[in-house]
Amino acid sequence: GESVGLHLPTLSVQEGDNSIINCAYSNSASDYFIWYKQESGKGPQFIIDIRSNMDKRQGQRVTVLLNKTVKHLSLQIAATQPGDSAVYFCAENRVGTTDSWGKLQFGAGTQVVVTP
Amino acid sequence: DAMVIQNPRYQVTQFGKPVTLSCSQTLNHNVMYWYQQKSSQAPKLLFHYYDKDFNNEADTPDNFQSRRPNTSFCFLDIRSPGLGDAAMYLCATSRTRDRGYEQYFGPGTRLTVT
Repeated sequence: GESVGLHLPTLSVQEGDNSIINCAYSNSASDYFIWYKQESGKGPQFIIDIRSNMDKRQGQRVTVLLNKTVKHLSLQIAATQPGDSAVYFCAENRVGTTDSWGKLQFGAGTQVVVTP
Repeated sequence: DAMVIQNPRYQVTQFGKPVTLSCSQTLNHNVMYWYQQKSSQAPKLLFHYYDKDFNNEADTPDNFQSRRPNTSFCFLDIRSPGLGDAAMYLCATSRTRDRGYEQYFGPGTRLTVT
């Protein structure tokens, strides 16, 4: 079935390096994507979003890239810090289904571990 | 600061004993959601309120109910908790139900069933 999924369940990154978290989606009609960060014992926290009419969006130390041709989404974190250790979820708004409202379909999540 | 608040943060209940989790928001958002999140899994939507309109997900067990007495508050009632209902329960809000609007999550309530 249609889904949003992540390629890597765990990503180990050295402090100061850049992190890249990948996400594949299968619904080519989806038009809104969000990255959430979830620290242990806390609720998901919005990081950045992107609409399908864009291919890149930058925030503070984060960049989201959207490649609609291959249905791929990525989150880049520059100069990764210990505070970036968390689970990162991508989520999409599906289009063209009974869930065509703002319901979020979450990917499986990637655990990012920042090592000193 | 405007926010989504969940109480309690940790809840222990006995097998079969009804339990209620609460959520409040100061964002004045029209939509409130309840998610269930089990360990190492993504949040799973149980239901949502769009204003006073209740919308249940097709696969949400009847054991789960919700109430929204006013814009600010929403409750999750688990009528007869089973061991499989132990999870983190997340409340979220959004300004509208349209696509493209961010959902704001609360800190969650960790439910343990003994």
